[in-house]
Amino acid sequence: AQSVAQPEDQVNVAEGNPLTVKCTYSVSGNPYLFWYVQYPNRGLQFLLKYITGDNLVKGSYGFEAEFNKSQTSFHLKKPSALVSDSALYFCAVRDNDYKLSFGAGTTVTVRA
Amino acid sequence: DAGVTQSPTHLIKTRGQQVTLRCSPKSGHDTVSWYQQALGQGPQFIFQYYEEEERQRGNFPDRFSGHQFPNYSSELNVNALLLGDSALYLCASKDWGASGSPLHFGNGTRLTVT
Repeated sequence: AQSVAQPEDQVNVAEGNPLTVKCTYSVSGNPYLFWYVQYPNRGLQFLLKYITGDNLVKGSYGFEAEFNKSQTSFHLKKPSALVSDSALYFCAVRDNDYKLSFGAGTTVTVRA
Repeated sequence: DAGVTQSPTHLIKTRGQQVTLRCSPKSGHDTVSWYQQALGQGPQFIFQYYEEEERQRGNFPDRFSGHQFPNYSSELNVNALLLGDSALYLCASKDWGASGSPLHFGNGTRLTVT
């Protein structure tokens, strides 16, 4: 069975500082990994994905993620956080039939 | 280009009642999945429809059923509602043939069971 874990319930950073949201995964075979963001009372918005190729993946709104096979991690990063980045972030892993398994989510708060 | 649309936005039902939620996929998408997101948790996979057939099912009881129509839209039905069914129900769509593409989510239907 595939799964992801997000070890931090909350991440707090000051605006302008780097932001990292952690995710580790467990799969049999090659991982298909995704990051989504959710604003209050809204659905999930796609940020970026890793299917194959470069370990550093660039996505929407200045976000990027680093795939590390040896550490089975897929951490989300942003070099300079904005107050508007405050939201709930989900890491997910996909199986061959497009079913996503999500982590519990990490609440990011960026203070001005 | 409309994204994934869901209706209604909010719904309040009583225990034991039945509910139907509706979803129209993003233009060009033929695969629809449903997820349940309880408060403070990540979304949980309910089932997936492609070519009007249920292709995968998560760990949900038979009270949860669905349907996909020829125009690719979908319905989620829940019978004999329990208090624990209160959640945000998310619909997601994609093009089955575009294997690397992500799921696109709607804004969800907030179901409250009293």
